[in-house]
Amino acid sequence: GEDVEQSLFLSVREGDSSVINCTYTDSSSTYLYWYKQEPGAGLQLLTYIFSNMDMKQDQRLTVLLNKKDKHLSLRIADTQTGDSAIYFCAEGNDYKLSFGAGTTVTVRA
Amino acid sequence: DTGVSQNPRHKITKRGQNVTFRCDPISEHNRLYWYRQTLGQGPEFLTYFQNEAQLEKSRLLSDRFSAERPKGSFSTLEIQRTEQGDSAMYLCASSFNAYEQFFGPGTRLTVL
Repeated sequence: GEDVEQSLFLSVREGDSSVINCTYTDSSSTYLYWYKQEPGAGLQLLTYIFSNMDMKQDQRLTVLLNKKDKHLSLRIADTQTGDSAIYFCAEGNDYKLSFGAGTTVTVRA
Repeated sequence: DTGVSQNPRHKITKRGQNVTFRCDPISEHNRLYWYRQTLGQGPEFLTYFQNEAQLEKSRLLSDRFSAERPKGSFSTLEIQRTEQGDSAMYLCASSFNAYEQFFGPGTRLTVL
């Protein structure tokens, strides 16, 4: 079965980099994802990486994938107050996404 | 707004009542998904449609739950004889390919 784990909380100072980590168990996952959820809102697709890649960069976001260790990370550079949210890691194949429980990121001034 | 829309946004019902939620996907998306999210957890997959065909159903989707997508456009999720354990956020997502799912704002169900 699928199991995605991530740490529950992260506190970061405004302007610093945030790193959110995730581990997954399904080695057949085709894509790995990061979604953002703000209070009372649905999930926003931030970025995703194909399983045969090891890095993807998109503006302030950098995704690193270690397929051997089944470890995924999301780095947010120059973290802003608007980055405060819950970040979900997910693995997917074709139609089904399996999510972790989410990491609550709090940005302090 | 061309995103996924869901109605109603909030629903409060009494135990034993039936409820129905609607999802309107992004217009060119032929794939549609339903997920359920409980407090403090990530979303859990419920079911998947490609056009009007329901191709996958999770074991979480008990016989009290039914989903339809009659014309391959909007979808409905009905819960019969609601139970307090059905209280959750019900999320709909759509996509035009196998890997980019875009989520709606969700319908929050509270069963009293």
